[in-house]
Amino acid sequence: SQTIHQWPATLVQPVGSPLSLECTVEGTSNPNLYWYRQAAGRGLQLLFYSVGIGQISSEVPQNLSASRPQDRQFILSSKKLLLSDSGFYLCAWSRDGYEAFFGQGTRLTVV
Amino acid sequence: KNEVEQSPQNLTAQEGEFITINCSYSVGISALHWLQQHPGGGIVSLFMLSSGKKKHGRLIATINIQEKHSSLHITASHPRDSAVYICAALFQGAQKLVFGQGTRLTINP
Repeated sequence: SQTIHQWPATLVQPVGSPLSLECTVEGTSNPNLYWYRQAAGRGLQLLFYSVGIGQISSEVPQNLSASRPQDRQFILSSKKLLLSDSGFYLCAWSRDGYEAFFGQGTRLTVV
Repeated sequence: KNEVEQSPQNLTAQEGEFITINCSYSVGISALHWLQQHPGGGIVSLFMLSSGKKKHGRLIATINIQEKHSSLHITASHPRDSAVYICAALFQGAQKLVFGQGTRLTINP
């Protein structure tokens, strides 16, 4: 069955520290992968999406980067976190232009 | 441009009322998803639609492809239905999955 694993569920990091959020997918191959961020009181904004290994599209300029080192692994990173990076981060994947599956999300607080 | 608009942004109702949340999108889509987000942030997938209507318990989702519009209905609403409801459209071509802004629903006892 298709599943998606995203961790950690919550994270508190100091300003200036690095970030690495990982998302892995099971039960499919060559999925489209997505990272979203939800700031407090706002909707989910698409940050990055990937249609294949090493192929990353960035939707908005920011302090973050994404990588896809393996077909079913999508990583969201930052070298130095800012206070404004706080929010809820969600990983998702889709395939065949129809089905989509969503992670449980990571609540990041930068202090 | 791939856009998804939801309305209303906030909705407060009394227990038992019939609830409707609307979602409109800008261009052709492959599928539309309705999701539920509880205060802790976790996302639950409710429906995936490409045409017609789906029903699960007290929840009903419909989509009109010609009008580029979908609705989520809740019958006999209950306080436990209080959550943020989000529609997400999977756009053809670029295969982008774009979320609406969400509708915060509060059901008072």
